[in-house]
Amino acid sequence: KQEVTQIPAALSVPEGENLVLNCSFTDSAIYNLQWFRQDPGKGLTSLLLIQSSQREQTSGRLNASLDKSSGRSTLYIAASQPGDSATYLCAVSQPGNTPLVFGKGTRLSVIA
Amino acid sequence: EAQVTQNPRYLITVTGKKLTVTCSQNMNHEYMSWYRQDPGLGLRQIYYSMNVEVTDKGDVPEGYKVSRKEKRNFPLILESPSPNQTSLYFCASTIGSLSNEQFFGPGTRLTVL
Repeated sequence: KQEVTQIPAALSVPEGENLVLNCSFTDSAIYNLQWFRQDPGKGLTSLLLIQSSQREQTSGRLNASLDKSSGRSTLYIAASQPGDSATYLCAVSQPGNTPLVFGKGTRLSVIA
Repeated sequence: EAQVTQNPRYLITVTGKKLTVTCSQNMNHEYMSWYRQDPGLGLRQIYYSMNVEVTDKGDVPEGYKVSRKEKRNFPLILESPSPNQTSLYFCASTIGSLSNEQFFGPGTRLTVL
């Protein structure tokens, strides 16, 4: 059964720092991996989607990488800002009619 | 604007009183699903639908029903809510298949007393 783990569970950094969030998964047979942002009491906003054949995706200050063979993905946030404070979730999709499998998230606080 | 909407956003109810949470998407997506999010357990899929009149169970379907009579709507029905169904619920949709990007609604916070 696929399991997704995110480390650390919480992270606090000063404004301006570059940071990396980690996501690992146990079964490398995935279609894609998606990174989401969740603000308190709000829904999930899709940040980046990496197909299994891709190595990375970039959007503005965000860069996500995927190493399918080792079961790892990282989300790199450059020049962090207080507005980046949120919980970041990664999720993998798998073959067949199976649901997305989510990690439990990393709660990020960027201190001004 | 392309979006997934849910109603209500907040609901407090009592055990046994039937309720429906509506979900609608305006992106002509075939695939829709419901998730619940609980502290320490993360997001888990309740039910999904691959198209009109095609629904199937996810990981935690007990106590829930769904229907898909129209492509844009996918309501979640709790026939007899219980306190263990207190949770944050999300509806999601995607075009075609699970290999595509999923879009989530804003969430419905349900409390069952």
